[in-house]
Amino acid sequence: ILNVEQSPQSLHVQEGDSTNFTCSFPSSNFYALHWYRWETAKSPEALFVMTLNGDEKKKGRISATLNTKEGYSYLYIKGSQPEDSATYLCARGGTSYGKLTFGQGTILTVHP
Amino acid sequence: GAVVSQHPSWVICKSGTSVKIECRSLDFQATTMFWYRQFPKQSLMLMATSNEGSKATYEQGVEKDKFLINHASLTLSTLTVTSAHPEDSSFYICSADRDGNSNQPQHFGDGTRLSIL
Repeated sequence: ILNVEQSPQSLHVQEGDSTNFTCSFPSSNFYALHWYRWETAKSPEALFVMTLNGDEKKKGRISATLNTKEGYSYLYIKGSQPEDSATYLCARGGTSYGKLTFGQGTILTVHP
Repeated sequence: GAVVSQHPSWVICKSGTSVKIECRSLDFQATTMFWYRQFPKQSLMLMATSNEGSKATYEQGVEKDKFLINHASLTLSTLTVTSAHPEDSSFYICSADRDGNSNQPQHFGDGTRLSIL
């Protein structure tokens, strides 16, 4: 993997469904993995920053895991709500100097 | 906390015009600010990293004479698109962090939609 790749590109789920998406990234020279939620007409909002292999973080119904050796992270949303509808971005930091490489995002639509 | 304001949010102007976009951290001092560009259906692409009081570091392929970045204070960075042409039409967004370390989240502005006629 040369770039940061996210899958799927888009996802439609029903309210109450649990869902997950994937971020794949180059595992060499890894420093940090970020997840952001980006709602329409708003600014991207940081969800998680993870640095250690095996890291798991949780914020309410949203959680994320990190595997730095194989180069992937999963984002899980439990019991999706319409307000979870947004684009979810992941970004990889390859150095300590703040520079991030972003994936294209996963567009989540939660239908009532 | 950690609010970043970006202005303007939308610009439509004629080819050849220079356009300035401001990015301000409202409630914290931003050691480092980042400028990104996003074309339709593509990812956020880093254009340059801006550090207060020093010259910006541009990513490969980004013309520094075309995209002038000034980071005059710990709360303000500006991006000027000089002599803009239709191919410069894009979505531009800034972010800031407190210490320039990628183990900390970045705080984003709302972005600027630039349309060059």
